[in-house]
Amino acid sequence: QVQLVESGGGVVQPGRSLRLSCAAAGFTFSSYGMHWVRQAPGKGLEWVAVITYDGSNKLYADSVNGRFTISRDNSKNTLYLQMNSLRAEDTAVYYCANDQGSGRGYWGQGTLVTVSS
Amino acid sequence: AIQLTQSPSSLSASVGDRVTITCRASQGISSALVWYQQKPGKGPKVLIYDASSLESGVPSRFSGSGSGTDFTLTISSLQPEDFATYYCQQFNNYPRTFGQGTKVEIK
Repeated sequence: QVQLVESGGGVVQPGRSLRLSCAAAGFTFSSYGMHWVRQAPGKGLEWVAVITYDGSNKLYADSVNGRFTISRDNSKNTLYLQMNSLRAEDTAVYYCANDQGSGRGYWGQGTLVTVSS
Repeated sequence: AIQLTQSPSSLSASVGDRVTITCRASQGISSALVWYQQKPGKGPKVLIYDASSLESGVPSRFSGSGSGTDFTLTISSLQPEDFATYYCQQFNNYPRTFGQGTKVEIK
């Protein structure tokens, strides 16, 4: 079955960096676009970034554009999110999700990032 | 960015009730809408895709309808395991946007 396992979250000071990983299993990772979506504590869902199946195209939410970088390693079945210049408002659970088209896809359980001094 | 307005933001209902949640888009999105269910501490799960198609394994008491700007998620007979938060999301274009969520609670 499809498994998406996020890791790399933790507590980080404002202005610092953090890299999240998402390990995929149970499907052909290299065939699907992948997303990062976040959810601030007690709040709704916010789309963050998307990468195409081969890594050739990437798009970002305005709120993270220029600070976050999405990437993937298809040989390792792993998705990444490099987060730089972190701010308090980046505090959230970060989910990875695969894109099966028509809005379909599986989501991981999330990893919590807390930006605090 | 396309705005999605969900209503209500919360509701209280009893087991067996019929529940309807609406999602309105700020511009037409054809049928490019998905409905998710999220339970505490878990990632969202797709219930309905392409506005009205039932995801495999999802009980038939869930249904979706609509196109253009107005969409509806209906639970025909609420079950105990359905108490959760529901979100709509548009995938017509980027940035993908979500409704603010509807929390379904036990009455």
